[in-house]
Amino acid sequence: ETGVTQTPRHLVMGMTNKKSLKCEQHLGHNAMYWYKQSAKKPLELMFVYNFKEQTENNSVPSRFSPECPNSSHLFLHLHTLQPEDSALYLCASSQGSGGSYEQYFGPGTRLTVT
Amino acid sequence: AQSVAQPEDQVNVAEGNPLTVKCTYSVSGNPYLFWYVQYPNRGLQFLLKYITGDNLVKGSYGFEAEFNKSQTSFHLKKPSALVSDSALYFCAVRPNDYKLSFGAGTTVTVRA
Repeated sequence: ETGVTQTPRHLVMGMTNKKSLKCEQHLGHNAMYWYKQSAKKPLELMFVYNFKEQTENNSVPSRFSPECPNSSHLFLHLHTLQPEDSALYLCASSQGSGGSYEQYFGPGTRLTVT
Repeated sequence: AQSVAQPEDQVNVAEGNPLTVKCTYSVSGNPYLFWYVQYPNRGLQFLLKYITGDNLVKGSYGFEAEFNKSQTSFHLKKPSALVSDSALYFCAVRPNDYKLSFGAGTTVTVRA
């Protein structure tokens, strides 16, 4: 799992806090993704970046704000979250953003909103 | 409507027995199909994918999957399961270069 790293691994935050999740990929990939994984539900794609440009935003609430300063780093800025936002947030990367490219995932950040 | 379905929430098998995890899809054209595995407290790991050609695809850790176009299925198989194969398995489909969609996952438990 050293290909894609995520920090922190666990995060507890109140609804009025501001925090950020960090993802870094060491695979030389051009595309990066944020997913939300909740129990008993399919993975929800949140954002897609290709060559640092956002190419997809799946109607994600504005309290989630992504940032991609370069092809190796991806952030997810969080503010005024709701308890239902508690989930595992997964970062992934791939050589390209479409076609037959498989994605490589980080270990995730377990977020709890109190 | 969900484009990929995993009809079984859980699969239980004894170690040494064959393991099958089912996946069906409902998209047109020639989609790309993937299997991923997730161990506890870990991210998803890529197992194998179908692009084109031979319907039987071999992947990591002794897993293979069979693409069946007429039945729109892509079932994951392993001839002899190990206790260490116990994990959450996800099927995913990307139809004609559109976005990747994941199934809800199947929990596999292999008992010793």
